[in-house]
Amino acid sequence: DIQLTQSPSSLSASLGDRVTITCQASHDINNYLNWYQQKPGKAPKLLIYDASKLEVGVPSRFSGSGFGTVFTLTITTLQPEDVATYYCQQYNNHATYTFGLGTKLELK
Amino acid sequence: EVKLEQSGAEVKKPGDSLKISCKGSGYKFSSQWIVWVRQTPGKGLEYMGMIWPGDSETKYSQSFQGQVTISADNSISTAYMHWYSLEASDSALYFCARHGGSKKVAFDVWGPGTMVTVSS
Repeated sequence: DIQLTQSPSSLSASLGDRVTITCQASHDINNYLNWYQQKPGKAPKLLIYDASKLEVGVPSRFSGSGFGTVFTLTITTLQPEDVATYYCQQYNNHATYTFGLGTKLELK
Repeated sequence: EVKLEQSGAEVKKPGDSLKISCKGSGYKFSSQWIVWVRQTPGKGLEYMGMIWPGDSETKYSQSFQGQVTISADNSISTAYMHWYSLEASDSALYFCARHGGSKKVAFDVWGPGTMVTVSS
């Protein structure tokens, strides 16, 4: 099974900061990597799919990159509404989907 | 507006059966997979399985095969997750979500979740 390791598990940043979250896969997953945002008491929300494609309606300050085993989610200018937990998710041809354990983003 | 509505919170005893639901609207329900995801504090988000409402084809994660049954009634745009005999370890928040399809292999619309508590 492919494992996803997110780092850091939590981070604290200031408004306007550039924030980067990393997701490392245990095996090569091509670009089969998605990112979700989950706010307390809410369902996850799709931000990025196929490693770098921005979901419709998601602000352009969010971006994703990476290929193979290392992927990043970047928020260029942190806004108050970005406080949330962020999850990466991988998929493969056998229709299995695995999530990372999440990165909790707080305001400093 | 594309939407998934889920049934309300449940409190059950070990050994009870349970069926929770997920109703889609705003799109052609029969033509996109519906997935189920479990969330717990200990294990985080876990994919459980999916169903194609058009013909009820199902696929299960190995971890949940035999533990739950996923079904759908396309005539009322509703998918279900069924347990025959609940255990305390089934206590979790359960989400349904829409699979985006072959061009967007991601879960692009989510329901609000159904909290299931199993306790004696």
